[in-house]
Amino acid sequence: EAQVTQNPRYLITVTGKKLTVTCSQNMNHEYMSWYRQDPGLGLRQIYYSMNVEVTDKGDVPEGYKVSRKEKRNFPLILESPSPNQTSLYFCASSFRQGHHTQYFGPGTRLTVL
Amino acid sequence: AQSVSQHNHHVILSEAASLELGCNYSYGGTVNLFWYVQYPGQHLQLLLKYFSGDPLVKGIKGFEAEFIKSKFSFNLRKPSVQWSDTAEYFCAVNSGNTPLVFGKGTRLSVIA
Repeated sequence: EAQVTQNPRYLITVTGKKLTVTCSQNMNHEYMSWYRQDPGLGLRQIYYSMNVEVTDKGDVPEGYKVSRKEKRNFPLILESPSPNQTSLYFCASSFRQGHHTQYFGPGTRLTVL
Repeated sequence: AQSVSQHNHHVILSEAASLELGCNYSYGGTVNLFWYVQYPGQHLQLLLKYFSGDPLVKGIKGFEAEFIKSKFSFNLRKPSVQWSDTAEYFCAVNSGNTPLVFGKGTRLSVIA
Protein backbone atom coordinates (compact mmCIF):
# COMPACT_ATOMS: atom_id res chain seq x y z
CA GLU A 1 0.00 0.00 0.00
CA ALA A 2 1.28 3.43 -1.01
CA GLN A 3 1.72 5.50 2.10
CA VAL A 4 3.65 8.00 4.17
CA THR A 5 4.46 6.84 7.68
CA GLN A 6 5.53 8.90 10.66
CA ASN A 7 6.82 7.91 14.05
CA PRO A 8 6.07 8.47 16.79
CA ARG A 9 2.41 9.45 16.49
CA TYR A 10 2.35 11.04 19.92
CA LEU A 11 5.23 12.41 21.96
CA ILE A 12 5.45 14.31 25.23
CA THR A 13 8.89 15.60 26.07
CA VAL A 14 10.64 18.29 28.10
CA THR A 15 12.37 21.46 27.04
CA GLY A 16 15.86 20.90 25.67
CA LYS A 17 15.70 17.14 25.13
CA LYS A 18 16.66 16.39 21.54
CA LEU A 19 14.16 14.40 19.52
CA THR A 20 13.68 13.07 16.02
CA VAL A 21 10.43 12.42 14.20
CA THR A 22 10.85 9.96 11.37
CA CYS A 23 9.08 10.09 8.03
CA SER A 24 9.18 7.46 5.34
CA GLN A 25 7.43 7.06 1.99
CA ASN A 26 7.24 4.01 -0.27
CA MET A 27 6.17 5.73 -3.49
CA ASN A 28 9.64 6.66 -4.80
CA HIS A 29 8.71 10.33 -4.55
CA GLU A 30 11.37 12.94 -5.12
CA TYR A 31 9.72 15.70 -3.10
CA MET A 32 9.18 15.58 0.66
CA SER A 33 8.10 18.22 3.11
CA TRP A 34 7.39 18.90 6.78
CA TYR A 35 4.52 21.06 8.01
CA ARG A 36 3.27 22.10 11.37
CA GLN A 37 -0.42 22.67 12.00
CA ASP A 38 -1.58 25.07 14.69
CA PRO A 39 -5.15 26.20 15.43
CA GLY A 40 -6.11 29.24 13.39
CA LEU A 41 -2.84 29.21 11.46
CA GLY A 42 -3.42 26.33 9.07
CA LEU A 43 -0.40 24.44 7.78
CA ARG A 44 2.97 26.11 7.65
CA GLN A 45 5.93 24.58 5.91
CA ILE A 46 9.04 23.94 7.99
CA TYR A 47 11.47 22.39 5.51
CA TYR A 48 11.26 20.68 2.17
CA SER A 49 13.46 18.51 0.00
CA MET A 50 13.42 18.35 -3.78
CA ASN A 51 15.55 15.20 -3.86
CA VAL A 52 18.29 13.31 -2.00
CA GLU A 53 20.78 15.65 -0.35
CA VAL A 54 18.73 18.71 -1.41
CA THR A 55 16.86 20.49 1.38
CA ASP A 56 15.59 24.02 1.81
CA LYS A 57 13.88 26.16 4.42
CA GLY A 58 10.16 26.71 4.41
CA ASP A 59 8.28 29.45 6.21
CA VAL A 60 9.05 28.45 9.81
CA PRO A 61 12.43 26.64 9.93
CA GLU A 62 13.76 28.08 13.20
CA GLY A 63 14.49 25.39 15.77
CA TYR A 64 14.31 22.51 13.30
CA LYS A 65 16.75 20.51 11.20
CA VAL A 66 16.22 17.93 8.48
CA SER A 67 18.28 15.56 6.40
CA ARG A 68 17.63 13.59 3.21
CA LYS A 69 20.25 10.90 2.91
CA GLU A 70 17.92 8.42 1.25
CA LYS A 71 15.03 9.05 -1.09
CA ARG A 72 12.43 7.40 1.12
CA ASN A 73 13.32 9.02 4.47
CA PHE A 74 13.08 12.61 5.65
CA PRO A 75 13.50 12.90 9.43
CA LEU A 76 12.70 16.06 11.36
CA ILE A 77 15.09 16.90 14.18
CA LEU A 78 14.46 19.21 17.10
CA GLU A 79 17.87 19.74 18.71
CA SER A 80 16.55 21.66 21.72
CA PRO A 81 12.75 21.63 21.77
CA SER A 82 10.87 24.50 23.35
CA PRO A 83 7.20 24.82 24.38
CA ASN A 84 6.41 26.94 21.30
CA GLN A 85 7.16 23.86 19.20
CA THR A 86 4.18 22.07 20.70
CA SER A 87 2.15 21.34 17.61
CA LEU A 88 0.80 18.75 15.19
CA TYR A 89 3.40 17.82 12.59
CA PHE A 90 2.74 16.36 9.17
CA CYS A 91 5.16 14.90 6.69
CA ALA A 92 4.15 14.85 3.02
CA SER A 93 5.58 13.58 -0.23
CA SER A 94 4.86 13.97 -3.94
CA PHE A 95 6.38 12.81 -7.21
CA ARG A 96 7.72 16.32 -7.74
CA GLN A 97 6.57 19.84 -6.87
CA GLY A 98 4.24 21.76 -9.15
CA HIS A 99 0.83 20.28 -9.79
CA HIS A 100 1.57 16.88 -8.29
CA THR A 101 -0.60 15.76 -5.39
CA GLN A 102 1.03 15.70 -1.97
CA TYR A 103 0.37 12.62 0.15
CA PHE A 104 0.33 13.23 3.87
CA GLY A 105 1.39 11.09 6.78
CA PRO A 106 -0.89 10.48 9.77
CA GLY A 107 0.65 13.25 11.87
CA THR A 108 2.74 13.47 15.04
CA ARG A 109 1.29 15.30 18.00
CA LEU A 110 4.18 16.78 19.96
CA THR A 111 3.93 18.36 23.40
CA VAL A 112 6.96 20.10 24.85
CA LEU A 113 6.69 20.82 28.58
CA ALA B 1 5.19 35.86 -2.04
CA GLN B 2 2.08 33.86 -2.67
CA SER B 3 -0.69 33.88 -0.11
CA VAL B 4 -4.07 32.20 0.22
CA SER B 5 -7.15 33.62 1.94
CA GLN B 6 -10.03 31.49 3.11
CA HIS B 7 -12.83 33.80 4.11
CA ASN B 8 -14.78 31.59 6.45
CA HIS B 9 -13.21 30.20 9.59
CA HIS B 10 -16.19 28.10 10.64
CA VAL B 11 -19.28 27.23 8.64
CA ILE B 12 -22.28 25.43 10.12
CA LEU B 13 -24.80 23.89 7.76
CA SER B 14 -27.74 21.55 8.00
CA GLU B 15 -27.68 18.31 6.06
CA ALA B 16 -28.75 18.75 2.42
CA ALA B 17 -27.79 22.44 2.39
CA SER B 18 -25.55 23.70 -0.37
CA LEU B 19 -21.95 24.57 0.37
CA GLU B 20 -19.59 27.16 -1.02
CA LEU B 21 -16.23 27.83 0.61
CA GLY B 22 -14.26 30.80 -0.60
CA CYS B 23 -10.60 30.79 -1.55
CA ASN B 24 -8.62 33.67 -3.01
CA TYR B 25 -4.92 33.70 -3.80
CA SER B 26 -2.44 36.45 -4.51
CA TYR B 27 -0.29 35.56 -7.49
CA GLY B 28 -0.60 36.86 -11.01
CA GLY B 29 1.11 34.09 -12.96
CA THR B 30 0.27 30.50 -13.76
CA VAL B 31 -0.89 28.68 -10.66
CA ASN B 32 -1.73 25.20 -9.47
CA LEU B 33 -4.68 25.14 -7.08
CA PHE B 34 -5.70 22.47 -4.60
CA TRP B 35 -8.37 21.71 -2.05
CA TYR B 36 -7.45 19.30 0.71
CA VAL B 37 -9.77 17.91 3.38
CA GLN B 38 -8.92 16.81 6.91
CA TYR B 39 -11.54 14.65 8.62
CA PRO B 40 -11.50 14.69 12.43
CA GLY B 41 -8.37 12.99 13.74
CA GLN B 42 -7.06 12.18 10.27
CA HIS B 43 -4.41 13.40 7.89
CA LEU B 44 -5.01 15.65 4.90
CA GLN B 45 -6.14 14.13 1.66
CA LEU B 46 -6.72 15.65 -1.75
CA LEU B 47 -10.27 16.59 -2.75
CA LEU B 48 -9.47 18.08 -6.14
CA LYS B 49 -6.94 20.19 -8.00
CA TYR B 50 -6.62 22.45 -11.00
CA PHE B 51 -3.52 23.08 -13.07
CA SER B 52 -4.79 23.43 -16.64
CA GLY B 53 -7.79 22.82 -18.89
CA ASP B 54 -11.42 23.11 -17.86
CA PRO B 55 -11.64 25.63 -15.01
CA LEU B 56 -14.53 23.68 -13.48
CA VAL B 57 -12.92 20.78 -11.66
CA LYS B 58 -14.77 17.84 -10.21
CA GLY B 59 -13.33 15.96 -7.28
CA ILE B 60 -14.20 13.13 -4.96
CA LYS B 61 -17.39 12.85 -2.88
CA GLY B 62 -19.40 15.22 -5.10
CA PHE B 63 -17.19 18.27 -4.58
CA GLU B 64 -16.30 20.67 -7.35
CA ALA B 65 -14.38 23.93 -7.63
CA GLU B 66 -14.21 26.66 -10.22
CA PHE B 67 -11.05 28.54 -11.11
CA ILE B 68 -11.89 32.14 -11.98
CA LYS B 69 -8.64 33.74 -13.08
CA SER B 70 -10.00 37.29 -13.18
CA LYS B 71 -11.06 37.02 -9.55
CA PHE B 72 -8.02 35.04 -8.35
CA SER B 73 -10.50 32.62 -6.84
CA PHE B 74 -10.94 28.87 -6.52
CA ASN B 75 -14.13 28.36 -4.53
CA LEU B 76 -15.20 24.92 -3.41
CA ARG B 77 -18.82 23.82 -3.84
CA LYS B 78 -21.08 20.93 -3.07
CA PRO B 79 -24.81 21.00 -3.87
CA SER B 80 -25.93 18.96 -0.86
CA VAL B 81 -23.76 18.30 2.18
CA GLN B 82 -23.91 15.27 4.41
CA TRP B 83 -23.01 14.80 8.07
CA SER B 84 -19.91 12.91 6.92
CA ASP B 85 -18.61 16.08 5.24
CA THR B 86 -17.85 17.52 8.67
CA ALA B 87 -14.15 18.31 8.40
CA GLU B 88 -11.60 21.06 7.93
CA TYR B 89 -10.99 22.22 4.37
CA PHE B 90 -7.76 23.77 3.15
CA CYS B 91 -7.14 25.64 -0.05
CA ALA B 92 -3.53 25.64 -1.32
CA VAL B 93 -1.61 27.18 -4.20
CA ASN B 94 1.77 26.96 -5.83
CA SER B 95 3.33 28.03 -9.06
CA GLY B 96 5.88 26.09 -11.07
CA ASN B 97 8.24 24.56 -8.54
CA THR B 98 7.49 26.85 -5.64
CA PRO B 99 6.41 25.28 -2.34
CA LEU B 100 2.74 24.78 -1.66
CA VAL B 101 1.16 27.57 0.39
CA PHE B 102 -1.93 26.71 2.44
CA GLY B 103 -4.78 28.87 3.61
CA LYS B 104 -5.70 28.83 7.30
CA GLY B 105 -8.53 26.42 6.74
CA THR B 106 -12.31 26.45 7.07
CA ARG B 107 -13.98 24.21 9.59
CA LEU B 108 -17.27 22.79 8.32
CA SER B 109 -19.80 21.41 10.78
CA VAL B 110 -22.82 19.65 9.31
CA ILE B 111 -25.73 19.12 11.66
CA ALA B 112 -28.61 16.74 11.23
